[in-house]
Order: sequence, then structure tokens, then C-alpha cells
Amino acid sequence: GAVVSQHPSRVICKSGTSVKIECRSLDFQATTMFWYRQFPKQSLMLMATSNEGSKATYEQGVEKDKFLINHASLTLSTLTVTSAHPEDSSFYICSASRDRTAQPQHFGDGTRLSIL
Amino acid sequence: GNSVTQMEGPVTLSEEAFLTINCTYTATGYPSLFWYVQYPGEGLQLLLKATKADDKGSNKGFEATYRKETTSFHLEKGSVQVSDSAVYFCAPSGYNKLIFGAGTRLAVHP
Repeated sequence: GAVVSQHPSRVICKSGTSVKIECRSLDFQATTMFWYRQFPKQSLMLMATSNEGSKATYEQGVEKDKFLINHASLTLSTLTVTSAHPEDSSFYICSASRDRTAQPQHFGDGTRLSIL
Repeated sequence: GNSVTQMEGPVTLSEEAFLTINCTYTATGYPSLFWYVQYPGEGLQLLLKATKADDKGSNKGFEATYRKETTSFHLEKGSVQVSDSAVYFCAPSGYNKLIFGAGTRLAVHP
């Protein structure tokens, strides 16, 4: 149990394009979802925490208007990278938790975003 | 705030060798402690966890004991396999979030 599906797994697009990444909890209801960014050979950097039905809480230094997060249902959260540029290229990973304690978190397989 | 210090990698071992990856943390209160594993090109998988002092988490031959007195949660395995090659992350919880260590890359050779 506790499967999280992330889609797409890889996306390549031109600079200026907006890209949407989906994160779904397949067999449980996710009260809380998290979005992380991972640079090559580095740790995960938490970008934002989203609770179903409320606005996401962004970490310091993460642009809210650049990275739009929606958590409209208990099984789906989306991250939209707006007007993406090459510096937004990265590995984005979502995770989901049944409750707000976030223990444990179940991770998706990540999305490799490449902006040309 | 909470923080975690993890043994730097890469760690290179021969198959069947003993593995230790050190992890120490600073935290207010009594966090739960987690080890996650990331295989190449994939997301993270929960490897094991411990929720209170002296608890031992174990899974797939890996073990880690919650040491409150030394604020440590070292990961061990008695005999590693090539398939254990991956990046391992230590992560204490805090303020309803996970605080990830830098990750330790493990490479196991036949």
C-alpha cells in the first residue's frame, strides 16, 4: 500500500513554456503533499507543503508565482512551473502523507524537467 | 531549528562487506527518525524508521537504532549486496516536515 504516482516522469520543453506535474496517491487519501527539488548529486530541497483544500506553504526563497501548487483533492496535487527557463531544469519529487504529521511520507518516482 | 549531519560519500564496498553510514541530528523535542533510499533515476523509498528512544528500525537486512543520548541514528548492514548500491538519506522529522541529510552514495562491487 501507500503508492504515489508522479507524472510525467520526464519532460523536455522550450524556454517560456509552462509545465504541469501531477502527483497522485493511488491507494490512500493524502491530507498533506510535499514538493521537493533535487539538484544532481544533492539532497532534496523542500519547496512547499500543501494541505488539501488550503493554500500551499512555501519555503523561504521559493517563488510562489513561479511554482504554482494546487491540492484540490485528497488524491491529487499539481505543481506548475510557469514560464520555465533553463535554470528551472531539475528533478522534482512529490511525496504524500495521510496526515499533517507527515509521518511517514511516501514518495513519487520524480519528474526530470529539462528546459532548452 | 532541526538539522542533520550525514556521513559523506561515496562509500565503496565489496559484496558481503559490513556497512555503516553515520547520521547525527539536532532537534527540539523527540523527532521520529527515518532512513530513505534512492535508486538511480527514482524517487525515495522508506527503508526504515524509529519513533522513540532505543527503538530499532529494520528492513531488508538494514538496521538503525534511535540513540537519544548521542542524537544518532546510524545505518548498518552486516553483508551488502550489489543491489544495495544507491543513495541513502537520513531524515529526522520536525515541525511536520522531514529534514534530509546530504545523502550518502553507496557503491557495492562484486
